Amino acid sequence: GAVVSQHPSWVICKSGTSVKIECRSLDFQATTMFWYRQFPKQSLMLMATSNEGSKATYEQGVEKDKFLINHASLTLSTLTVTSAHPEDSSFYICSASPTGELFFGEGSRLTVL
Amino acid sequence: GENVEQHPSTLSVQEGDSAVIKCTYSDSASNYFPWYKQELGKRPQLIIDIRSNVGEKKDQRIAVTLNKTAKHFSLHITETQPEDSAVYFCAARPFGNEKLTFGTGTRLTIIP
Repeated sequence: GAVVSQHPSWVICKSGTSVKIECRSLDFQATTMFWYRQFPKQSLMLMATSNEGSKATYEQGVEKDKFLINHASLTLSTLTVTSAHPEDSSFYICSASPTGELFFGEGSRLTVL
Repeated sequence: GENVEQHPSTLSVQEGDSAVIKCTYSDSASNYFPWYKQELGKRPQLIIDIRSNVGEKKDQRIAVTLNKTAKHFSLHITETQPEDSAVYFCAARPFGNEKLTFGTGTRLTIIP
């Protein structure tokens, strides 16, 4: 299957700082990647769809100025949580669907103090 | 948009018995229904999927059934083992749409 790699796997930051999470497709090119957020014991909620070379598409209720998404190449999408606050603490997972099946990165656990 | 409901939220099963998890979806245009297993702190892993042109699919101890008329699909795990303990998510995707909508998840516990 396709391999999606995410970094960092966990990060702790102070309130008010920004955090960048990288998502890479290692053995395929991805024109589209999906960013999900998962709170403890909850489901995966789609935040946005990143599109290579163009603006990301955000789901309703997701602040695009807070969650900056960049998809500058066919193998890299980044999510930047700007001015992070404790309520942004969550598990962020990227994914891609090169064959119809959705492949997930390892996930990044963000803790904002 | 698509809405997926999943039941039960928790399920405890004696080792060796069968487990059944059910999901319903709202969008009649949905034609792809995967099931994911997620262990604590890890990424979801696809365990089986079904497309709307078939009613049932089986892979060893795991099977999925689909009823398009009623818009529901189910995951069946037979001869359960302790390593089956995890959270299971169903999902649905409409034809022509790349976005997958997930159910709320079922925490399955296999009792040795």
